[in-house]
Amino acid sequence: DAGITQSPRHKVTETGTPVTLRCHQTENHRYMYWYRQDPGHGLRLIHYSYGVKDTDKGEVSDGYSVSRSKTEDFLLTLESATSSQTSVYFCAIGDRANYGYTFGSGTRLTVV
Amino acid sequence: GENVEQHPSTLSVQEGDSAVIKCTYSDSASNYFPWYKQELGKRPQLIIDIRSNVGEKKDQRIAVTLNKTAKHFSLHITETQPEDSAVYFCAATPSTDKLIFGTGTRLQVFP
Repeated sequence: DAGITQSPRHKVTETGTPVTLRCHQTENHRYMYWYRQDPGHGLRLIHYSYGVKDTDKGEVSDGYSVSRSKTEDFLLTLESATSSQTSVYFCAIGDRANYGYTFGSGTRLTVV
Repeated sequence: GENVEQHPSTLSVQEGDSAVIKCTYSDSASNYFPWYKQELGKRPQLIIDIRSNVGEKKDQRIAVTLNKTAKHFSLHITETQPEDSAVYFCAATPSTDKLIFGTGTRLQVFP
């Protein structure tokens, strides 16, 4: 399905617990991104990767960490989930930002 | 860094009418401006894009215009249909690294 999959699709977790979201691609794209989508805020960049072990922060990186040990996988970790991190998280892939992205189907995360 | 503003946040039109969504960007180095459509519960999907060396681009009922001097770009949808109902996002980038998105416009097309 478009060469990109996110897991899980839905997750409910408790405040203070660690959570890891996974993005997997089969397109061999260089860039991978994590965005969060919230009403009134659109799509905000959390972190992105431009290669294995090469990552950088986005607009809203506090409280999140990422890892990319293989070209195909990009993990987003919430070390200690808070209610403000309740959101829909989208992964995106691309060779270059100025050629556009392909988005994954999203993960709906609820922190209670 | 780049900042993208998008207006309006909601737009309601009658089927067959035209719809226009406008975005402004802050970084004069930005050179790529895509538009994404997100249907309810689905992923955003690229529908059209424009580069800084082009003033206008059309694809059937949709078109995008770019004014580099004013640093704004717009999405035009003509002869709207109910299936055009969705959230539309504009974006900009001054580099190859990342896109910065606007806050989105919810378009509702009433039959």
